[in-house]
Amino acid sequence: AQTVTQSQPEMSVQEAETVTLSCTYDTSENNYYLFWYKQPPSRQMILVIRQEAYKQQNATENRFSVNFQKAAKSFSLKISDSQLGDTAMYFCAFMTHTGANSKLTFGKGITLSVRP
Amino acid sequence: EPEVTQTPSHQVTQMGQEVILRCVPISNHLYFYWYRQILGQKVEFLVSFYNNEISEKSEIFDDQFSVERPDGSNFTLKIRSTKLEDSAMYFCASRGTSGGETQYFGPGTRLLVL
Repeated sequence: AQTVTQSQPEMSVQEAETVTLSCTYDTSENNYYLFWYKQPPSRQMILVIRQEAYKQQNATENRFSVNFQKAAKSFSLKISDSQLGDTAMYFCAFMTHTGANSKLTFGKGITLSVRP
Repeated sequence: EPEVTQTPSHQVTQMGQEVILRCVPISNHLYFYWYRQILGQKVEFLVSFYNNEISEKSEIFDDQFSVERPDGSNFTLKIRSTKLEDSAMYFCASRGTSGGETQYFGPGTRLLVL
């Protein structure tokens, strides 16, 4: 079974600074996908960024980038130039199959607070 | 931009009552999911649905739960006899097939069982 671990329950960052959120996972699969989802106080789940395990290049989306270390099974999210709107819960998630049996396995999440 | 919608946004029910949570996935998507999140906890997979049948379900998804795609647009989750521990946020998600690894989530239905 796959597991996703987010060991930091909370983090805080000053507006405009950079913060890194950690995530590790465990799997015996070779092909899989990793995601970061953001959950603001409204509790909607919003995709932040996605990484395919077969790609060596780290994914980036504007101010968001990942550090994907496949051998170490690590998938951290870096948020640059933090904004107040980044305040939210962030979930790391893992998915193996892309067929009918695909499902997301989530970590426990980390609460990020951006201070003005 | 297409999005997943869910109704109702909030539902309060008495223990033992039946509830139906509704979802409209993104129109050209073929894979559908239900997840739940008990307050303060992580998001948990309930069930996946493809080609008009359940493709996988978790241990949580017992006989009290059922899913249905009654027409070409809706995807429903029914809880036959609600328990207090069913109180949670329920998320519907859908996924396409073309570059379709990403699951897009609806805004959720907050269910409170009294």
